[in-house]
Amino acid sequence: DTAVSQTPKYLVTQMGNDKSIKCEQNLGHDTMYWYKQDSKKFLKIMFSYNNKELIINETVPNRFSPKSPDKAHLNLHINSLELGDSAVYFCASSHNLGTGDSYEQYFGPGTRLTVT
Amino acid sequence: SQQGEEDPQALSIQEGENATMNCSYKTSINNLQWYRQNSGRGLVHLILIRSNEREKHSGRLRVTLDTSKKSSSLLITASRAADTASYFCATSQGAQKLVFGQGTRLTINP
Repeated sequence: DTAVSQTPKYLVTQMGNDKSIKCEQNLGHDTMYWYKQDSKKFLKIMFSYNNKELIINETVPNRFSPKSPDKAHLNLHINSLELGDSAVYFCASSHNLGTGDSYEQYFGPGTRLTVT
Repeated sequence: SQQGEEDPQALSIQEGENATMNCSYKTSINNLQWYRQNSGRGLVHLILIRSNEREKHSGRLRVTLDTSKKSSSLLITASRAADTASYFCATSQGAQKLVFGQGTRLTINP
């Protein structure tokens, strides 16, 4: 009964490859997010979707393409992986109360991506 | 650009002592949130304080917010070994976006 789940937990791949990370939430939330946490623990938002619609795209290279088939799923596809993409990627979800404000977010366990 | 900055970056105390972490931010906010991250895990929401609130309590946690100084503090009383984790503040400025600081790494020594 995990609230926010991500697969895989670990991903080791070579430069130039294409990979995907999947995220699912069973909390009934309308909004889902992807964050990147670097080696210094700095957590930065990449994308946000509300009811399958992209609402935030934080100057992420277009090699990163999120896809939301329904409001419970938000997947992240990365093309032509680079060394600098190595990080931990977190999916999160939250309610959307329509105020434009951000409320409590629920995070998945993270996917540690290592590009060699 | 990074919004919140936590201070100190690392804190080590004895079990039973109180731990205080600070967060400063740069722009006006709607609310400020604190999260905990255990090693190798995702973030867990601890507490949310709105911009019109000055103090909030939850169990052993006490959060204060001073919007005039653009700062917040998180106090953990009677610390336990299980409190060992990284603690992040995050600010909400609208647009359904949270901006996180770099965190304070808290170590509770038994």
